[in-house]
Amino acid sequence: EAGVTQFPSHSVIEKGQTVTLRCDPISGHDNLYWYRRVMGKEIKFLLHFVKESKQDESGMPNNRFLAERTGGTYSTLKVQPAELEDSGVYFCASSPNRAGEQYFGPGTRLTVT
Amino acid sequence: GQSLEQPSEVTAVEGAIVQINCTYQTSGFYGLSWYQQHDGGAPTFLSYNALDGLEETGRFSSFLSRSDSYGYLLLQELQMKDSASYFCAGGYILTGGGNKLTFGTGTQLKVEL
Repeated sequence: EAGVTQFPSHSVIEKGQTVTLRCDPISGHDNLYWYRRVMGKEIKFLLHFVKESKQDESGMPNNRFLAERTGGTYSTLKVQPAELEDSGVYFCASSPNRAGEQYFGPGTRLTVT
Repeated sequence: GQSLEQPSEVTAVEGAIVQINCTYQTSGFYGLSWYQQHDGGAPTFLSYNALDGLEETGRFSSFLSRSDSYGYLLLQELQMKDSASYFCAGGYILTGGGNKLTFGTGTQLKVEL
């Protein structure tokens, strides 16, 4: 069974540019989550999808971040315009249920210069 | 808010047993997960406790006590490859109907010969 995949693995952009991160969850997993780790701190929750619906986006830092999950399959996270403090590793995770068993992707390392 | 506390570092010798403790905030809590992370890579799911007691998965076991707001990860027959960061993650229900994991600060385990 293929795991969670994320693209790209690394992205370096300039302040003010736009970046779109993609996550493909494990097939059949209705629950999809985005997390990020910035400045070497703890991994923090951004938002939760169930199929194509946003269940909660209370962790999104501001309106420069937009997440979508069209058709309830893959998800995208767009940052527009990017700021320096957005640099970090963005993880996607999926789960077949709402329990604590979430499977993480390898992450996208975003560097904003 | 929700925060999880765990020791920053633990050192043990190969073949030994080590226990990593975790305390958590109870508001909205529904379960405790444990993840392993090598060199900042993808967190790998190890174990999940929704109920009090011990869950055993091979060399790894996890324990939860809701009355004490406490859990631990027990690693037996330590191997060099077990050197990694270990995170406890509390599962929390969100007011909008979603859920999230809140990660602890991580414990760096060093296994020595």
